[in-house]
Amino acid sequence: DTAVSQTPKYLVTQMGNDKSIKCEQNLGHDTMYWYKQDSKKFLKIMFSYNNKELIINETVPNRFSPKSPDKAHLNLHINSLELGDSAVYFCASSPGGPVTDTQYFGPGTRLTVL
Amino acid sequence: SQKIEQNSEALNIQEGKTATLTCNYTNYSPAYLQWYRQDPGRGPVFLLLIRENEKEKRKERLKVTFDTTLKQSLFHITASQPADSATYLCALDVTGGGNKLTFGTGTQLKVEL
Repeated sequence: DTAVSQTPKYLVTQMGNDKSIKCEQNLGHDTMYWYKQDSKKFLKIMFSYNNKELIINETVPNRFSPKSPDKAHLNLHINSLELGDSAVYFCASSPGGPVTDTQYFGPGTRLTVL
Repeated sequence: SQKIEQNSEALNIQEGKTATLTCNYTNYSPAYLQWYRQDPGRGPVFLLLIRENEKEKRKERLKVTFDTTLKQSLFHITASQPADSATYLCALDVTGGGNKLTFGTGTQLKVEL
């Protein structure tokens, strides 16, 4: 029943490791997003895909690489993790454009880099 | 520079009162503005979207106003309840491109008995 799901919910890892976060939506939406929410609760867009095509790529280090195998999935791979990558990462989806449509968020993945 | 500002302080009100949260923005006139609710440990949940030609929008106990002259949106919760305690985020497009939402930092609301 879950509309937007993410795995894992918690991720604790050492600096320098590579990790992935998976996201799936069963709403039939065309657009998916990755957001980062830092310790001050500021929610910032990282990437957006529309029908598997990258449409937003904010100023994010190229250690972060999103991958969309199909329009229901958007995964986030992070190489060479750094302390500053610790945050909560949210996946979201919307039927179409981000500005005019409701965005549905996943439960978040809390990443802690030690 | 900060383009979207919400009440930085937490807002504490008594049950039954009306809570009013503020969202101010600069530099751009967005065509749409959205409000979301976020509970601790959860993702934001959409509440309302208001268009620039809509001065006011209501949904049950929620009311949103959008003043494009003042560049401000007000979010009201009437007859507030402890269950309304959460962080409320406004979001809008500050780029004009129509392809990206920027979120405010949120206002934490606590409704006390």
